[in-house]
Amino acid sequence: AQSVTQLGSHVSVSEGALVLLRCNYSSSVPPYLFWYVQYPNQGLQLLLKYTTGATLVKGINGFEAEFKKSETSFHLTKPSAHMSDAAEYFCAVSEDGFGNEKLTFGTGTRLTIIP
Amino acid sequence: AAGVIQSPRHLIKEKRETATLKCYPIPRHDTVYWYQQGPGQDPQFLISFYEKMQSDKGSIPDRFSAQQFSDYHSELNMSSLELGDSALYFCASSPNRREQFFGPGTRLTVL
Repeated sequence: AQSVTQLGSHVSVSEGALVLLRCNYSSSVPPYLFWYVQYPNQGLQLLLKYTTGATLVKGINGFEAEFKKSETSFHLTKPSAHMSDAAEYFCAVSEDGFGNEKLTFGTGTRLTIIP
Repeated sequence: AAGVIQSPRHLIKEKRETATLKCYPIPRHDTVYWYQQGPGQDPQFLISFYEKMQSDKGSIPDRFSAQQFSDYHSELNMSSLELGDSALYFCASSPNRREQFFGPGTRLTVL
């Protein structure tokens, strides 16, 4: 069974500072990994994804994440936080096809940006 | 670019009533997923359909049923509504079962 653990339900960073949101996963097969962002009262927007290939993936809005198999991690980073980054961020894992591709989400991290 | 369409966006029902949520996937996407997100919770997988057949089932109550139609749109039917069914219901579609594109959600409030 697949699972996701997001360390830190709330993270606060100053505007312009590094953003680091942590995600560890568990999967019995090579996983697909995703980060989604959710703004208040809105849907889920895909930030970036890892399926195969390059382990450092770049997404929208300057975010990137690195898949580290040895650490079972997929942490999300952004070099310089912007006020518009304030939102809820969900890490999710999916197993490879064959009917098991449903997303399992972490419990989310609420990112607050301090002016 | 076309996105996933969900209707209605907001729905208010009384306990024990029924509700039907609709999802229109992105054109040429053959897979649809339904998720439920309770207040302050992460989204939980309910059910999915691939080529109009149920492909996977999660924590979906027996009071709920769903189907995917010949035009690939999907409907989630919810009966005997309970207060605990109040949540945001997301539909997602996929062209390849590797990446899911989410709709804006339907917010269901049960009074």
